[in-house]
Amino acid sequence: EAGVAQSPRYKIIEKRQSVAFWCNPISGHATLYWYQQILGQGPKLLIQFQNNGVVDDSQLPKDRFSAERLKGVDSTLKIQPAKLEDSAVYLCASPLRKQSAVTGELFFGEGSRLTVL
Amino acid sequence: SQQGEEDPQALSIQEGENATMNCSYKTSINNLQWYRQNSGRGLVHLILIRSNEREKHSGRLRVTLDTSKKSSSLLITASRAADTASYFCATDARGAQKLVFGQGTRLTINP
Repeated sequence: EAGVAQSPRYKIIEKRQSVAFWCNPISGHATLYWYQQILGQGPKLLIQFQNNGVVDDSQLPKDRFSAERLKGVDSTLKIQPAKLEDSAVYLCASPLRKQSAVTGELFFGEGSRLTVL
Repeated sequence: SQQGEEDPQALSIQEGENATMNCSYKTSINNLQWYRQNSGRGLVHLILIRSNEREKHSGRLRVTLDTSKKSSSLLITASRAADTASYFCATDARGAQKLVFGQGTRLTINP
């Protein structure tokens, strides 16, 4: 079944180490989103891609977070160096259907849960 | 920043009862959406209501929107144990071109 694939599902690292998360979105959609969800909170948008280009990264902590989307398909989100407050679930999302690029309805992956010790 | 705020933060009811969750937001919107998140899983889209709509139904779900009060409610009728999850409202603010989520309501259905 087509969906948004993310890996790894779980990662535990020590502070100041680096980590990378991978997302394979629903095929055929130009838009891809990375959200950060801290425990007990709603998801917060980190970065939005349109094909290979960045549409919105206003809430991405650029001193430690970076993201890229090569060839307009898969995307990686990297954190280096990690801080304790980066402990969260990192969610990747695609538009739910073709017209969702206008309405904003999203299909989320299962997420990558990061614990920073 | 969080646009929507859900109320209550947590709700516990008996199976078969109706559950009502509320969402308030701050700016003008194109549409408002509700999502469900089971523990340890990603978010699942439930329903979208446009700014020019006042009520929408989908199965056991009923969503209302009052743009004058900048608020929405999600009603789940005849609740089931499987409805236990966190529910989030999300707004597609005009001019913003991005979805902003609230803090969520944690719903527990007791058998």
